[in-house]
Amino acid sequence: AQTVTQSQPEMSVQEAETVTLSCTYDTSESDYYLFWYKQPPSRQMILVIRQEAYKQQNATENRFSVNFQKAAKSFSLKISDSQLGDAAMYFCAYRSYSGANSKLTFGKGITLSVRP
Amino acid sequence: GAVVSQHPSWVICKSGTSVKIECRSLDFQATTMFWYRQFPKQSLMLMATSNEGSKATYEQGVEKDKFLINHASLTLSTLTVTSAHPEDSSFYICSALTVTGAPNEQFFGPGTRLTVL
Repeated sequence: AQTVTQSQPEMSVQEAETVTLSCTYDTSESDYYLFWYKQPPSRQMILVIRQEAYKQQNATENRFSVNFQKAAKSFSLKISDSQLGDAAMYFCAYRSYSGANSKLTFGKGITLSVRP
Repeated sequence: GAVVSQHPSWVICKSGTSVKIECRSLDFQATTMFWYRQFPKQSLMLMATSNEGSKATYEQGVEKDKFLINHASLTLSTLTVTSAHPEDSSFYICSALTVTGAPNEQFFGPGTRLTVL
């Protein structure tokens, strides 16, 4: 079974600074998807970024980028120019590539606070 | 993007009563929907996977007779908490898997806060 580990329960960043959230995972599969989700105080889950394991290029979405290290099974999220609205809980998640109904496996999450 | 709605957004009920939560995919068809439970400051815990027209698959430890899931159409899944007790108080989130568009992307509903008195 796959596991996703987020070892840091909380992090804090100064507004306009850069912060990196760590995530590691364990799997025996070669093809899979990795995700970062944001859950703000409203508790609505929002997809931040997605990475397909077969792609070597790291995914980027505006101020959000990932450092995907497949051999090390590491998938960190970098938030540049942090904004107050980035304050939220962030979850790293894994999904198998095969199987239309394959489910997401979430990490425990990390609470990010942004200092003005 | 695809929108998933949940109703109600919050509900308070007395112990022993049943509560039904609806999850709808508003602008896409979802053959598969997922139901999660989340406690404050914790991760999402998958309760069950429902496929349209078939019985739901429950995760280990989830009582299927207590948490009844019905996925009668490609746009609607319901979760009924039967004979609710205070320990069932939690935040319930549904998610729908698209059959077209971005592969393997789940869209989440806004969640339902259940409080059992």
